[in-house]
Amino acid sequence: QKEVEQDPGPLSVPEGAIVSLNCTYSNSAFQYFMWYRQYSRKGPELLMYTYSSGNKEDGRFTAQVDKSSKYISLFIRDSQPSDSATYLCAMTYAGAGNNRKLIWGLGTSLAVNP
Amino acid sequence: DGGITQSPKYLFRKEGQNVTLSCEQNLNHDAMYWYRQDPGQGLRLIYYSQIVNDFQKGDIAEGYSVSREKKESFPLTVTSAQKNPTAFYLCASRAGRVNTEAFFGQGTRLTVV
Repeated sequence: QKEVEQDPGPLSVPEGAIVSLNCTYSNSAFQYFMWYRQYSRKGPELLMYTYSSGNKEDGRFTAQVDKSSKYISLFIRDSQPSDSATYLCAMTYAGAGNNRKLIWGLGTSLAVNP
Repeated sequence: DGGITQSPKYLFRKEGQNVTLSCEQNLNHDAMYWYRQDPGQGLRLIYYSQIVNDFQKGDIAEGYSVSREKKESFPLTVTSAQKNPTAFYLCASRAGRVNTEAFFGQGTRLTVV
C-alpha cells in the first residue's frame, strides 16, 4: 500500500461547479500537508499549505485536513476553465526540518469545461 | 524576482551520452531536490541536498549524479547508465526552517533520440 493514495481521475466538471479533490494516507505521523497545481509541461506551484488538522481558505480554494480519518481535501468553488490542471497532494512528518522528505500523491487530472 | 531556474527547457540526448541539467535558485534556500516525473507515476525523488557539499540518494538515484558546490546551484547529470532517461525532470528547493513548503522550477523535458 502506498503511503499516500490519490485518485488520478480524470475528473471533468462544468464551469462554476464545486470541485472536491482528495488524498488518503496511512501514516498518522504526517503533520504537514500541501496541495500543488501543475499545468501541462510546467512545474508544480504551491496552492495551499496546512499544519495538522482543520481548514484553511484562500480565495476560491479551501484545504481541509481530517487527521482522525487520515484524509485531506481541496475544494475549489466556482471552478473556471483556467483551473484545468493536475492537482498533487504532498505531506511530511513533523520534526527534523527538511530532513523529512515530502511524500507525494500521484495527482488528479481536472478538466473544467466552459 | 526570486525563483528557481531550470535549463534547458527541452534537451535531446543520444544513446550513450551523459547530459547535465541545470538548476539555479536565488531564494537563499538550503535544501534542493531533483524529481523525475513520468505519466502515471507521480513525482519520484532522485537526489536531494540539505547543505552545500552534501547530498543524499533518493528513491531512484541509479544512473544519475549530482553536485552541490554552491548554495544556489544543484546540477543533475543523467549518465549513460540510466537506461530509460526520457522523462520530465523537476528541480525544487525548500528553506531551512522546519518543514517548509517546496518551490519548483519549470522543468526540463529530456528525450533520448
